Amino acid sequence: TQLLEQSPQFLSIQEGENLTVYCNSSSVFSSLQWYRQEPGEGPVLLVTVVTGGEVKKLKRLTFQFGDARKDSSLHITAAQPGDTGLYLCAGAGNQFYFGTGTSLTVIP
Amino acid sequence: NAGVTQTPKFRVLKTGQSMTLLCAQDMNHEYMYWYRQDPGMGLRLIHYSVGEGTTAKGEVPDGYNVSRLKKQNFLLGLESAAPSQTSVYFCASSQDHPSSYNEQFFGPGTRLTVL
Repeated sequence: TQLLEQSPQFLSIQEGENLTVYCNSSSVFSSLQWYRQEPGEGPVLLVTVVTGGEVKKLKRLTFQFGDARKDSSLHITAAQPGDTGLYLCAGAGNQFYFGTGTSLTVIP
Repeated sequence: NAGVTQTPKFRVLKTGQSMTLLCAQDMNHEYMYWYRQDPGMGLRLIHYSVGEGTTAKGEVPDGYNVSRLKKQNFLLGLESAAPSQTSVYFCASSQDHPSSYNEQFFGPGTRLTVL
């Protein structure tokens, strides 16, 4: 049973377009993290959100934690080919629970 | 700083063979984790350790054993490999408990194929 469901599973867009990735759960987490993973490498942390309703920005990436701390979204503005990768959300409880992943391809 | 390293990077086993994956971290982290990654399923926790000499089961522990004899090393063993254990295995470490907003640092992964 996957505690965290991500949508969409695959996303292919043109350079310059905007996109949103969703991470949903029925469980409450103390914090939620977003990671990006490139082929042949391990995931790398992008951001940690802690407070319900919190919004964090990292250049063209905007992360939001749901008010009830059960879900989160990642919005990318004006996507670039360098954004290509697998995006994973992870909820923190007694352990880290990872989402199913969103594979993003940005076409030049 | 090498961060988190894993050996080997690739391995092919026959059904029933055994092997050990080695993870090492040089950040003096207390917590270490072993995950497996399969298509469409994200990362699933196999076993983890909250300190030297301790281990605990994660979400999918069956068929695996672990040991943490030294703080910097976390070993994952497969006693009798099965094709269902074909996967990419990632080791990770963090300074403190997941609820303490800690970052996990991941190794580069080991791609294991069981024939």
